[in-house]
Amino acid sequence: GAVVSQHPSRVICKSGTSVKIECRSLDFQATTMFWYRQFPKQSLMLMATSNEGSKATYEQGVEKDKFLINHASLTLSTLTVTSAHPEDSSFYICSAFSSRGTSGGARTGELFFGEGSRLTVL
Amino acid sequence: GEDVEQSLFLSVREGDSSVINCTYTDSSSTYLYWYKQEPGAGLQLLTYIFSNMDMKQDQRLTVLLNKKDKHLSLRIADTQTGDSAIYFCAESIEGYSTLTFGKGTMLLVSP
Repeated sequence: GAVVSQHPSRVICKSGTSVKIECRSLDFQATTMFWYRQFPKQSLMLMATSNEGSKATYEQGVEKDKFLINHASLTLSTLTVTSAHPEDSSFYICSAFSSRGTSGGARTGELFFGEGSRLTVL
Repeated sequence: GEDVEQSLFLSVREGDSSVINCTYTDSSSTYLYWYKQEPGAGLQLLTYIFSNMDMKQDQRLTVLLNKKDKHLSLRIADTQTGDSAIYFCAESIEGYSTLTFGKGTMLLVSP
């Protein structure tokens, strides 16, 4: 079945450095990918919607300059946490939408999640 | 706005049935999902139901939907220790593209 791969699965960095997380759809093309952030014992918070070839759409309260998203190809989206600080430590999960076309005017398909990336900023 | 509510914790004994409940507020929801998250891992889709269905059964899993009350439940029959995880209820208006998640229910299965 379809697989979404995230890399790295764990990263530890010093405060002030930038960290890039990759999300790849391995056997399908994903025009839309999503980035979520999950705090301990909490739900997933949608950070942004990434569309191939265009700028990402950020959710309210998410800093665009802090969390840079690039969806350069149909199989790869990247999230870069710039000038990371300890409060950015979190579990980041991506998902990719595998479209099956439209039905009754609505997009149909399936959403696949990556395994997540644990970021720890010291 | 959209809101999805779940109870935070459920503890059961191995072999019993587990019922995890979820309520949502958006009457436009057409797809409702249950995801499982094991520690330190991503989300695994367990099952989903369309809003024009009342029930869906898939092996040990039974999903019940009361659209009038906007209530969704997941029943796991013969719960095993490997079922211990966090279960997220989610809803979307169109197929899969944008999901609103509940806070998750931690299921603890004891031997």
